[in-house]
Amino acid sequence: GQQLNQSPQSMFIQEGEDVSMNCTSSSIFNTWLWYKQDPGEGPVLLIALYKAGELTSNGRLTAQFGITRKDSFLNISASIPSDVGIYFCAGLSNAGNNRKLIWGLGTSLAVNP
Amino acid sequence: EAQVTQNPRYLITVTGKKLTVTCSQNMNHEYMSWYRQDPGLGLRQIYYSMNVEVTDKGDVPEGYKVSRKEKRNFPLILESPSPNQTSLYFCASSPKGRPSPLHFGNGTRLTVT
Repeated sequence: GQQLNQSPQSMFIQEGEDVSMNCTSSSIFNTWLWYKQDPGEGPVLLIALYKAGELTSNGRLTAQFGITRKDSFLNISASIPSDVGIYFCAGLSNAGNNRKLIWGLGTSLAVNP
Repeated sequence: EAQVTQNPRYLITVTGKKLTVTCSQNMNHEYMSWYRQDPGLGLRQIYYSMNVEVTDKGDVPEGYKVSRKEKRNFPLILESPSPNQTSLYFCASSPKGRPSPLHFGNGTRLTVT
């Protein structure tokens, strides 16, 4: 099945550093989503983007919907230990009525206190 | 509290022994879906349901069945589990209308020996 190209695959940073990750696709999406998954838990929505060019913040997190509608990035500022986890991007493809999400393979983030 | 509840969280079974993983949501969402998550393959959609009595195949439906007799419940049935169905399973839901992000359950880790 289709997947998004998400990078980097993993990151190991010091507490307080800023983090940037991105997703690209060969297809256009109408919605981009960023999720975080903690060990043993389901993905939790961080930010939803609905419009090309949109820049949205959620606390220390900022995400943008690329102008071409084929990419998105997520920034985390001033990282803290609880930011540890796997971050996934997902594009929502309105194929028929199926709210089918196309997923990246995730960015694993480790934060050294 | 708005949530998607899956049971059980962990399940170890043997090849061929029928099992059901339950999923229930209390948000009155029309759309529900099942995903499996495997290392290196990411999240893949198994089945989805647009509303009561309306279900359809996702990307990897082989070996699975679902039913949607009530709005809140969307059980996943493995009639004859095989080892290649060992995986982490997630149920998710969202309301209809504007493309809405999925709300995920906490997952069911299934091991088939």
